[in-house]
Amino acid sequence: SAVISQKPSRDICQRGTSLTIQCQVDSQVTMMFWYRQQPGQSLTLIATANQGSEATYESGFVIDKFPISRPNLTFSTLTVSNMSPEDSSIYLCSVEDRGHGYTFGSGTRLTVV
Amino acid sequence: EDQVTQSPEALRLQEGESSSLNCSYTVSGLRGLFWYRQDPGKGPEFLFTLYSAGEEKEKERLKATLTKKESFLHITAPKPEDSATYLCAFTTDSWGKLQFGSGTQVVVTP
Repeated sequence: SAVISQKPSRDICQRGTSLTIQCQVDSQVTMMFWYRQQPGQSLTLIATANQGSEATYESGFVIDKFPISRPNLTFSTLTVSNMSPEDSSIYLCSVEDRGHGYTFGSGTRLTVV
Repeated sequence: EDQVTQSPEALRLQEGESSSLNCSYTVSGLRGLFWYRQDPGKGPEFLFTLYSAGEEKEKERLKATLTKKESFLHITAPKPEDSATYLCAFTTDSWGKLQFGSGTQVVVTP
């Protein structure tokens, strides 16, 4: 199955700053997905990143707040911009993994102070 | 609105005490029903995908089933290492947007 490396694993950031999260996959994939898991809650899709095109954002998420890059078929970044304490969450990337559903990275635990 | 509802929210089991987790769904055009396990501080770990009513899949002590309205995750003779949050999710797309339920937190005590 696909192996996803996500960095950083955790960070504590000051409000008003930005954090870029990296997601590296060990195989080429068409689509990469970014999810948010707020404390004590389940996962919510932020956006879908397709190589060579703009990311598609879900309702309630906007590009200015969560810009995404997808420069090639194995890598993507999610930036959380102008952070506030409400952005404190776990952010996860995911890819389709034939025969194994969708594989998730280990997540980035973000705390905004 | 498409959605899944998981019950119970939490489940405490003695080692060896079998039980079932429920995921009831109201989804138009279901293309896949997924079960994941999530340990604290980790990303979800894929368990099963079910595509049509009547389908069943097994892995070690876990068995997932699907009807037209709900899915069950049966845990047979659980061990403490089965303690985790179990998530169900569905997709109605061919390209894989998953929508998750709120999860069932399972604790298995020796």
